[in-house]
Amino acid sequence: DAGVIQSPRHEVTEMGQEVTLRCKPISGHNSLFWYRQTMMRGLELLIYFNNNVPIDDSGMPEDRFSAKMPNASFSTLKIQPSEPRDSAVYFCASSLAPSSGANVLTFGAGSRLTVL
Amino acid sequence: AQSVTQLDSQVPVFEEAPVELRCNYSSSVSVYLFWYVQYPNQGLQLLLKYLSGSTLVESINGFEAEFNKSQTSFHLRKPSVHISDTAEYFCAVSKYGGSQGNLIFGKGTKLSVKP
Repeated sequence: DAGVIQSPRHEVTEMGQEVTLRCKPISGHNSLFWYRQTMMRGLELLIYFNNNVPIDDSGMPEDRFSAKMPNASFSTLKIQPSEPRDSAVYFCASSLAPSSGANVLTFGAGSRLTVL
Repeated sequence: AQSVTQLDSQVPVFEEAPVELRCNYSSSVSVYLFWYVQYPNQGLQLLLKYLSGSTLVESINGFEAEFNKSQTSFHLRKPSVHISDTAEYFCAVSKYGGSQGNLIFGKGTKLSVKP
């Protein structure tokens, strides 16, 4: 398996522009997570899906952020409009989560976003 | 709710020296515990995990961590580090049982191994 695939790896954009980050989870995994990593705040969970359904989006910073998972093999994280404070590395992770028990995540390589 | 504290943000050591990266957690329920490693410009990779059973868990590259319930700790250790161990290490906790939940991560410890 190619692992969790994220695109783009790097994105530089100007304030006010729309940004779309993409993620392809590992085939067969039923849970997908979006994390944001910054120097100041570390790793923050933004949202996670189980069987394509959003379960917890309490970490989404504000209405400018939205995430979708239209099918089991694809998810997007959209920021509109983007702001300089959104600059961060965004990670997607997936897992085969049992009904109970440990949830072991596999991470993608990340998308580094810079908003000028 | 669960939380994780990594007491050291940076740990510099010389090659072949021992190292301990500290992690404490708080939770009102039983938890699973993890260490993830992040090499430069890469995503996080699972290093080792404690689910149940023996409180000492080991990774394939010589790291080990011990679950100490009374001290609510899960410190990571290696008796002799290599240059290639230079990376950022994250401790994480998830709630035991129940529905699938997310991992709560500590802020990370940057291990810098010098020759």
